[in-house]
Amino acid sequence: KNQVEQSPQSLIILEGKNCTLQCNYTVSPFSNLRWYKQDTGRGPVSLTIMTFSENTKSNGRYTATLDADTKQSSLHITASQLSDSASYICVVSSSGNTGKLIFGQGTTLQVKP
Amino acid sequence: NAGVTQTPKFQVLKTGQSMTLQCAQDMNHNSMYWYRQDPGMGLRLIYYSASEGTTDKGEVPNGYNVSRLNKREFSLRLESAAPSQTSVYFCASSEVWINEKLFFGSGTQLSVL
Repeated sequence: KNQVEQSPQSLIILEGKNCTLQCNYTVSPFSNLRWYKQDTGRGPVSLTIMTFSENTKSNGRYTATLDADTKQSSLHITASQLSDSASYICVVSSSGNTGKLIFGQGTTLQVKP
Repeated sequence: NAGVTQTPKFQVLKTGQSMTLQCAQDMNHNSMYWYRQDPGMGLRLIYYSASEGTTDKGEVPNGYNVSRLNKREFSLRLESAAPSQTSVYFCASSEVWINEKLFFGSGTQLSVL
């Protein structure tokens, strides 16, 4: 069964600190892996998209890594800001004409001053 | 640049009532999607339209119907609302089917009493 599991479920950190969110998947065939940021009351916004051949991709203070062998990804946030408080969703795309997206349940991050 | 616009933002229905959620995108995207988001679960695909003139069922289509009115607009209809349809609904669009970045609307919070 295609699944995407994220950990931790929630996280609280102090402003200025770094953090890493984890995503494990069992999706086949694999096409790409995406990280989205979802602010409270808003729709998800894309942070990164990585294909099989990419193992690191950055978007400002956000750096995503992908290990296609172990089927794991991480999202590292550097020098956190209050505006980073949000839910972070890992999404894996399965390839093919009937391709589909499998969403993780998200990690809720709270950055405190 | 409005992106993806959904209406209404909030709605309360009684069991058995019907309603239509509206979605419009101004990015000239070919593909549009309807998702629902429930607490503790990943987003689940209700229906999608890979291109203008086509619609297909996603993983949770029961109790819903859709219309791709034109390239810009994709509506979701609940014919006879049930409490199990209480959820947050998101419309999304992408330039092409699935393997491109999704752009989400800000969501409709629906409560069925």
